[in-house]
Amino acid sequence: QKEVEQNSGPLSVPEGAIASLNCTYSDRGSQSFFWYRQYSGKSPELIMFIYSNGDKEDGRFTAQLNKASQYVSLLIRDSQPSDSATYLCAVNGNNNDMRFGAGTRLTVKP
Amino acid sequence: GAGVSQSPSNKVTEKGKDVELRCDPISGHTALYWYRQSLGQGLEFLIYFQGNSAPDKSGLPSDRFSAERTGGSVSTLTIQRTQQEDSAVYLCASSPDGPRQPQHFGDGTRLSIL
Repeated sequence: QKEVEQNSGPLSVPEGAIASLNCTYSDRGSQSFFWYRQYSGKSPELIMFIYSNGDKEDGRFTAQLNKASQYVSLLIRDSQPSDSATYLCAVNGNNNDMRFGAGTRLTVKP
Repeated sequence: GAGVSQSPSNKVTEKGKDVELRCDPISGHTALYWYRQSLGQGLEFLIYFQGNSAPDKSGLPSDRFSAERTGGSVSTLTIQRTQQEDSAVYLCASSPDGPRQPQHFGDGTRLSIL
């Protein structure tokens, strides 16, 4: 089992819809969870981070964390074509390391 | 303020040559990370520096790879006797104080081995 798993996609949603990106992790002791956006040919940029169970909202983005089920998700409301990118989930493990998922490619169609 | 700076942005070299990649983290960040990303793939962790502690080298793929961080700031990743499979984008990131905090990435060095 991979330490951090994401659906590779591609995930395609129409403009204005909600995009839902999911991530599961294996280390139950993980404490910090991050979502990064990576445009093609560019480096990852931080979108959201979450430390506690529940929801955290920032503009059109909502991160959701459920430690009991070991999953973290990212919702993008009112999706725009400019949101088209690969979204990387990253988890800080119990060994104080950082592991990235392989990423989910999102396409928002006008 | 200034972000993470990496140089060179592109490097083309012949198989068997040594290369050095440089990373200048955000000022005040004590944690520095190196990753490798092959085309269309996810991030592969290479090495992690935290303050003056011994680095976590668990991700280095072979003994041809080494890294150092001088004075707790600038880091250099060295690849000796390069192979074609070393071709990738090498990304550096820094965070204020360890992996519990968000990492900020540089623009990367695109390494091509001929």
